[in-house]
Order: sequence, then C-alpha cells, then structure tokens
Amino acid sequence: QQQVKQSPQSLIVQKGGISIINCAYENTAFDYFPWYQQFPGKGPALLIAIRPDVSEKKEGRFTISFNKSAKQFSLHIMDSQPGDSATYFCAAASGGSYIPTFGRGTSLIVHP
Amino acid sequence: EPEVTQTPSHQVTQMGQEVILRCVPISNHLYFYWYRQILGQKVEFLVSFYNNEISEKSEIFDDQFSVERPDGSNFTLKIRSTKLEDSAMYFCASRTGGGTEAFFGQGTRLTVV
Repeated sequence: QQQVKQSPQSLIVQKGGISIINCAYENTAFDYFPWYQQFPGKGPALLIAIRPDVSEKKEGRFTISFNKSAKQFSLHIMDSQPGDSATYFCAAASGGSYIPTFGRGTSLIVHP
Repeated sequence: EPEVTQTPSHQVTQMGQEVILRCVPISNHLYFYWYRQILGQKVEFLVSFYNNEISEKSEIFDDQFSVERPDGSNFTLKIRSTKLEDSAMYFCASRTGGGTEAFFGQGTRLTVV
C-alpha cells in the first residue's frame, strides 16, 4: 500500500482557534479520503470523508480541502473546542477495496 | 447503534505463545479487516477478509498470522507464536458490501512479555 504523509505530528491550539492538519498521498488510484478521529482507548471513528470530484466538503465545524493536482488534502477544524482534543488520522483508499491507508496521525490538544 | 465489539480489551501473553483475538463485526457487514497500532504510531493494515477468504494482506501479515470466521458472526485473528514486537493495539473493522466507511472496534491491547 502506498504511503500517506501527514503533518504536523502534534498541534496545540487555543479554544476558538483553527486547527489545520495536512496530508499528501502518492498513489493516483486513491479516490476516497476519510479522516478519522481517535480518542484514547478507543478505535478510530470516521469524522468526514471526501472524493476527488469535489475540492471542499464541510460538515459543521469540520472542512476537508482537496487539491487533486497537488495530491494533497487537509482538515480544518473551525472554532476548535477542548472536546476536539484527540488524535486525527487522514487516510486514503481506492474504490476497488476501500481499505484505508492511514497517515501517522496528529495529536491535537485544544487548550481551554 | 450497532458497533464492532472486540474481546478481550487487554491480553498479556508470553513470548512464543499463541493468541487469538476476537471480533464480532456489525451483523450485516460483509468486509472484515484487522489493523494494528503500535503505541504512538500509525494504524497499519494487516488483512482484509471477504466471502470467507483473505482478499488482501500486507507484508506484516506473515505466516505467523491467520484469520478465520468460524461461525458466521465472529472474526478472529490468530498469532501463532508471539514476539515482543507483536505488542500493539489490534483493531478489527467491518463495512457493508456497498458502503465506503469502515467501522472500527475499540481494540484489543496485546502485550507480549
């Protein structure tokens, strides 16, 4: 499986700020890009996902921006809250198998 | 809300012993997966299972690993002879036939001593 590169490794944001996590992929066969949120002691849970036919998808305070030509996508968390403190994983999958290949994860801490 | 359940939540085993990690996927799901996460590192794909056979596996999934769906509801991962480096959190996941979302269980923490 091809690699998905994710940055930063950790992120500290003040309450109300914007959290931005970036990912890049190599395999052009990827056509499904989910973001997972993981709290300590829990499994990853799907947060939001995008397909490459759109450049942006928004669900509440969470937005994915997608740049197909650059093979990059990012997660923006607006008005970050302490409850958003978790590890976020970007992932990529191809439509044939939908087996997510995960990035290394970003540990987000939102200070009150 | 249906969920993927895994047992046990934590297993400690001696090096060289066999372990079986158990999962009950969501009942109408058709695709089943095992992933592992070494502490503080990324979630790594091990194997996918569909229609009672392995559909894809990673290079991590060597001859020491095997999977089985013994009774139509459980999905198990067996590690034949555990090594220290097998210590990790193991996640089971499943998805429907037509869906894209993989639903993950809460994981089994395996500690090999």
